[in-house]
Amino acid sequence: KAGVTQTPRYLIKTRGQQVTLSCSPISGHRSVSWYQQTPGQGLQFLFEYFSETQRNKGNFPGRFSGRQFSNSRSEMNVSTLELGDSALYLCASSLRPLSSYEQYFGPGTRLTVT
Amino acid sequence: AQTVTQSQPEMSVQEAETVTLSCTYDTSESDYYLFWYKQPPSRQMILVIRQEAYKQQNATENRFSVNFQKAAKSFSLKISDSQLGDAAMYFCAYRSQGGSEKLVFGKGTKLTVNP
Repeated sequence: KAGVTQTPRYLIKTRGQQVTLSCSPISGHRSVSWYQQTPGQGLQFLFEYFSETQRNKGNFPGRFSGRQFSNSRSEMNVSTLELGDSALYLCASSLRPLSSYEQYFGPGTRLTVT
Repeated sequence: AQTVTQSQPEMSVQEAETVTLSCTYDTSESDYYLFWYKQPPSRQMILVIRQEAYKQQNATENRFSVNFQKAAKSFSLKISDSQLGDAAMYFCAYRSQGGSEKLVFGKGTKLTVNP
């Protein structure tokens, strides 16, 4: 079974631009979560989706948004990029929420904002 | 809000030796899950071991075991017979039992394995 895939793997953007990152969960997984990883702040929760509904959101500005499609694939969007948005963005999927099922992480998208 | 603290930014161990990574957490909840994740230099985060708070027995997965002290809110990871492939960042994480898949991570411990 294929793992969680994230595209693109690397991205360079300029301040003020917007970016869209994609995450395809493991086949059959319906829950997707997003995390931002930086050297200074570590791993921080962005949001989670289940059945196309955002179930929880972390403490990030409204420039960060996401969505989930009917096939469970998820996208996150960051508008008006700032230098501080440079980070590794990780996506994780699980069979369903409210359970002890393991979350499987993707390889991440490395975003550099210049 | 829950917090997770890993007090050892870096640790090193000799191949074949045993090392223990520390983790403490703060929560007012009684039911929750605790995890240790490994992130090798390739960046793919992998689950190492999981502990349900209601279980008194410490979880074990091959060479990896935990010492879960619920009253002390402590959750340490012991790696026995360390191998070169164990070198990675190790993150301790907390998750509430219900309501969210959100993981609260510690800052991580970088483990170096010396041959």
